[in-house]
Amino acid sequence: EAQVTQNPRYLITVTGKKLTVTCSQNMNHEYMSWYRQDPGLGLRQIYYSMNVEVTDKGDVPEGYKVSRKEKRNFPLILESPSPNQTSLYFCASSPSDRVGIQYFGAGTRLSVL
Amino acid sequence: SQQGEEDPQALSIQEGENATMNCSYKTSINNLQWYRQNSGRGLVHLILIRSNEREKHSGRLRVTLDTSKKSSSLLITASRAADTASYFCATGPNSGYSTLTFGKGTMLLVSP
Repeated sequence: EAQVTQNPRYLITVTGKKLTVTCSQNMNHEYMSWYRQDPGLGLRQIYYSMNVEVTDKGDVPEGYKVSRKEKRNFPLILESPSPNQTSLYFCASSPSDRVGIQYFGAGTRLSVL
Repeated sequence: SQQGEEDPQALSIQEGENATMNCSYKTSINNLQWYRQNSGRGLVHLILIRSNEREKHSGRLRVTLDTSKKSSSLLITASRAADTASYFCATGPNSGYSTLTFGKGTMLLVSP
């Protein structure tokens, strides 16, 4: 089954404790992206990647890192999480056409205490 | 940067009624897409309309696009309780790779 898989689905952590949210897709998509969703703010893009070793900042990249060493994986790294990073995070992937239909993971709900 | 803005923010209707949501955007686009999100879950692509199209249908969904007004509408006909969800429009830019920009969404509640 074609899908985007995020792990974990739920995470509670404390300020400053490094964490990684994994994202994997099995559709051989070139494009992958991370979003955060907050009430009243909609979806905001954190980082995106057009292919292996090619990443770029979205609208809200501060406090986040990403890497794209393999086509299927696009982990989101929070080196020193802070409470304002408490949010619902989504990973998405898309084939490399200009249409850009995106396929979303189920989401990771992160709470930083 | 937020491109699409949906209107209304929330909509409450009865089963069987039609639901109309609107989206306005600011810059030239390659395409406009609508997504649905059930509470707390990932977004699911519903329909895409290209900038050279004016109307598109998919089942009970009808999307219109007016590039001169930079606006789109999503009509759900004969709505069902299962249509209860948030609906987002997303725009793909006219140049460069198609990174989508999402609006803040319309929350639709369909009561039995």
